[in-house]
Amino acid sequence: GAVVSQHPSWVICKSGTSVKIECRSLDFQATTMFWYRQFPKQSLMLMATSNEGSKATYEQGVEKDKFLINHASLTLSTLTVTSAHPEDSSFYICSARDQSTSGSFSYEQYFGPGTRLTVT
Amino acid sequence: GQNIDQPTEMTATEGAIVQINCTYQTSGFNGLFWYQQHAGEAPTFLSYNVLDGLEEKGRFSSFLSRSKGYSYLLLKELQMKDSASYLCAVMDSNYQLIWGAGTKLIIKP
Repeated sequence: GAVVSQHPSWVICKSGTSVKIECRSLDFQATTMFWYRQFPKQSLMLMATSNEGSKATYEQGVEKDKFLINHASLTLSTLTVTSAHPEDSSFYICSARDQSTSGSFSYEQYFGPGTRLTVT
Repeated sequence: GQNIDQPTEMTATEGAIVQINCTYQTSGFNGLFWYQQHAGEAPTFLSYNVLDGLEEKGRFSSFLSRSKGYSYLLLKELQMKDSASYLCAVMDSNYQLIWGAGTKLIIKP
């Protein structure tokens, strides 16, 4: 099946610094990638939809200037958490669609392993 | 508004059968997904239903009734490794996934 990787898998940073998380589709091209955040014991919360070659679409309540998304190629999207604060500590997960498959099943999302961010 | 409801937590015994229900109200419907998520890990795909009926895949089956806005995930011959959260997600008319809060399944020996 399609594989999505994320790097780093975990990161600890100091308050006020910026952190970049990479999401790669390893064996397929993904024109659309999604960034989610998940707090403990809660469900996934979609932060933004990343489209290759265009600006990301952010969900209501998500600050686009704080969570910078760049989808520069068909296999790579990055999320940069700028000026991170302890409340940004969370599990960040990306997913991607393999749109080379046909039919409705092309809308299945393949998830990366997640990045656990801790801001001290 | 859009809403996905599933129980917060369920407990079952190893070797038994458990059914996890999911009801939904969304703007449009383009299919329903079930994902399994172990603690600290990303979700993994289990099933996809877009037509009414039962889809069976090994020990796991998923059922959909579009008229009732209802789905269930059936797990048979439960194993300890099945202890996880099970997420129900509906794809709406914009092909966005709307996620339920997840059901934490606890398997006891």
